[in-house]
Amino acid sequence: AQSVAQPEDQVNVAEGNPLTVKCTYSVSGNPYLFWYVQYPNRGLQFLLKYITGDNLVKGSYGFEAEFNKSQTSFHLKKPSALVSDSALYFCAVRDMTGGYNKLIFGAGTRLAVHP
Amino acid sequence: DAGVIQSPRHEVTEMGQEVTLRCKPISGHDYLFWYRQTMMRGLELLIYFNNNVPIDDSGMPEDRFSAKMPNASFSTLKIQPSEPRDSAVYFCASTLRSSSSRGTDTQYFGPGTRLTVL
Repeated sequence: AQSVAQPEDQVNVAEGNPLTVKCTYSVSGNPYLFWYVQYPNRGLQFLLKYITGDNLVKGSYGFEAEFNKSQTSFHLKKPSALVSDSALYFCAVRDMTGGYNKLIFGAGTRLAVHP
Repeated sequence: DAGVIQSPRHEVTEMGQEVTLRCKPISGHDYLFWYRQTMMRGLELLIYFNNNVPIDDSGMPEDRFSAKMPNASFSTLKIQPSEPRDSAVYFCASTLRSSSSRGTDTQYFGPGTRLTVL
């Protein structure tokens, strides 16, 4: 079965410092991997995804993610954090079980960026 | 496009009452998903539809929950009777599968309905 794990419930970063939010996956076949962000009282917003090709994927708001097949990881990164990046971040993997398309989400990681 | 539309945005009701949540997916999308989010259990997939047909409702917690999609532009999630433990934020999301010419598999979420059952 497809699954993703986000090992950290919360990540704390000082504004201006680089940030990393971790995600590992377990899939059969080639993974389709996604990152979503949820700001307070809002729905989830798509940030970026990896399907194939370049292992470094660039997305919205200056975020990027690195696909690492040997480590089965897809960590979200940003070179310089902003206070406004504080939110809940979800990693997800596409599940095609039965020929139907859905996403399996991780438990989420709360990112707190301090001034 | 207006994105996924959900109504109402907030619902407060008393235990035992019927609650109906509504969703309008993005035009042209062939999948629709209903999720529930709570602090305790995080984000849970309740049910999803493909071309208006329910595919997997194994996430629906009890028979009190039901969902319908009478056409490609509308879906409802009904709780009858409602209980305090149903209090949560309910999200609807839609996508177009990547095998379609413009499909991306990316799910787009609505703003959610915050349900409070007293």
